[in-house]
Amino acid sequence: AQSVTQLDSQVPVFEEAPVELRCNYSSSVSVYLFWYVQYPNQGLQLLLKYLSGSTLVKGINGFEAEFNKSQTSFHLRKPSVHISDTAEYFCAVSEPGYNKLIFGAGTRLAVHP
Amino acid sequence: DADVTQTPRNRITKTGKRIMLECSQTKGHDRMYWYRQDPGLGLRLIYYSFDVKDINKGEISDGYSVSRQAQAKFSLSLESAIPNQTALYFCATGQGLNEQFFGPGTRLTVL
Repeated sequence: AQSVTQLDSQVPVFEEAPVELRCNYSSSVSVYLFWYVQYPNQGLQLLLKYLSGSTLVKGINGFEAEFNKSQTSFHLRKPSVHISDTAEYFCAVSEPGYNKLIFGAGTRLAVHP
Repeated sequence: DADVTQTPRNRITKTGKRIMLECSQTKGHDRMYWYRQDPGLGLRLIYYSFDVKDINKGEISDGYSVSRQAQAKFSLSLESAIPNQTALYFCATGQGLNEQFFGPGTRLTVL
């Protein structure tokens, strides 16, 4: 069975600092991987996705993630965060054709001035 | 206009009451989902539907039921609400390579 582990429940960081949000998954087959962001009092919005091909994926708002098959990881990075990046971030995994997402518990990113 | 809408956005109800949460979409997607979000647990799948005649239980379907009235409408019912069903509920639609699109959520409080 698939599962997703987000290794940090909360990540505090100062504005303009780099940040990495960690995500590991378990699956016995090939996977699709996603990062979603939830701003306060809003629904989830897709940040980026890995389906196949290049292991470095670029998304919206300057975020990127790298798929590492040997480490079964899909960590999210941003070189310089802004106050507006304060939100909860969810990693999710799916098997091709399975049409269901398995979510991690979420990481709350708090960007301080 | 929002592609996935949920009504109501907030609801407070009492234990034992029957309530319905509604979801509508204008994206034309066949797949629709209901999730609940609890702090520290992420999103968990309650029910999903791949077309109007297809309804499937998710990982936490006990205490819930759904109705797919049309391609664009998918409702979630709590037959007899209990306090541990207090949560944030999300509807989502999907098409293509597993990507899903989420509504704004319904905050439900059961007293």
